[in-house]
Amino acid sequence: EDKVVQSPLSLVVHEGDTVTLNCSYEVTNFRSLLWYKQEKKAPTFLFMLTSSGIEKKSGRLSSILDKKELFSILNITATQTGDSAVYLCAAPVSYYGGSQGNLIFGKGTKLSVKP
Amino acid sequence: GAGVSQTPSNKVTEKGKYVELRCDPISGHTALYWYRQSLGQGPEFLIYFQGTGAADDSGLPNDRFFAVRPEGSVSTLKIQRTERGDSAVYLCASSLGPGQKLFFGSGTQLSVL
Repeated sequence: EDKVVQSPLSLVVHEGDTVTLNCSYEVTNFRSLLWYKQEKKAPTFLFMLTSSGIEKKSGRLSSILDKKELFSILNITATQTGDSAVYLCAAPVSYYGGSQGNLIFGKGTKLSVKP
Repeated sequence: GAGVSQTPSNKVTEKGKYVELRCDPISGHTALYWYRQSLGQGPEFLIYFQGTGAADDSGLPNDRFFAVRPEGSVSTLKIQRTERGDSAVYLCASSLGPGQKLFFGSGTQLSVL
C-alpha cells in the first residue's frame, strides 16, 4: 500500500532558526513528490520534485529529493513567524497507464515559529 | 475565477440531515478532486472528475457520499444521513489535467452535531 510519512509531526522554533522537515515515501511507480504549505485551510503549492539531487529553491525555502533512499527534505532558513503553518508532503498515486494526479498525503508537520 | 472557490465555508448540521457542498474550480481546469481532512491528518482522497465523469470514486467512504459535475465545471459533493464522524474539512482542488499541479480551495468546515 502506498504511503507518505512525515516527521516530526510538530516543531516549535524561534525566529531566525533553520528547520528541516522530513518526508519518506513508498509509492508504486513513483513519479514526483510535492510540498504544500497549509496556513488556514487551503494548501498552497511550494515545490514539485522529480529528479534526485536537484535542489529546488524559493527564497528561504529549499527542497531536495533522494529517490534511492526514498525521502525528501524541506529546509527553511531564517524562519519568520509567517512561516508558521502545516507543511504537507504528497505524491501522485499511479494507476495502470499513468497518473491521474490524485495525491496521497502525509499527516503534515505543524511548524510554530515563536517571536 | 481567480482561484478555486468553495461554498459554504462553514456548515453546521444535525445528525441525519442531508448536506451539499459546492466547488467552483479554476476556469479551464478539466480535472477536479475532492478530499476530506480530519484534525491532525493530511487530506484524504474522495473522488476525481475528468470533465463531467467521475474517473475514480474509490475514496468515497460509503454510499451516503455522492458527487456530481454535470457540466464539467462546478461540482457538488452530497452527503446523505450525515453522521458525527463526517465532521471534517472538505477540500476541493482542480488542475489543468491529470498529473498537473493541484490548486486547492479554502475548504468547507462541516460540523455534524
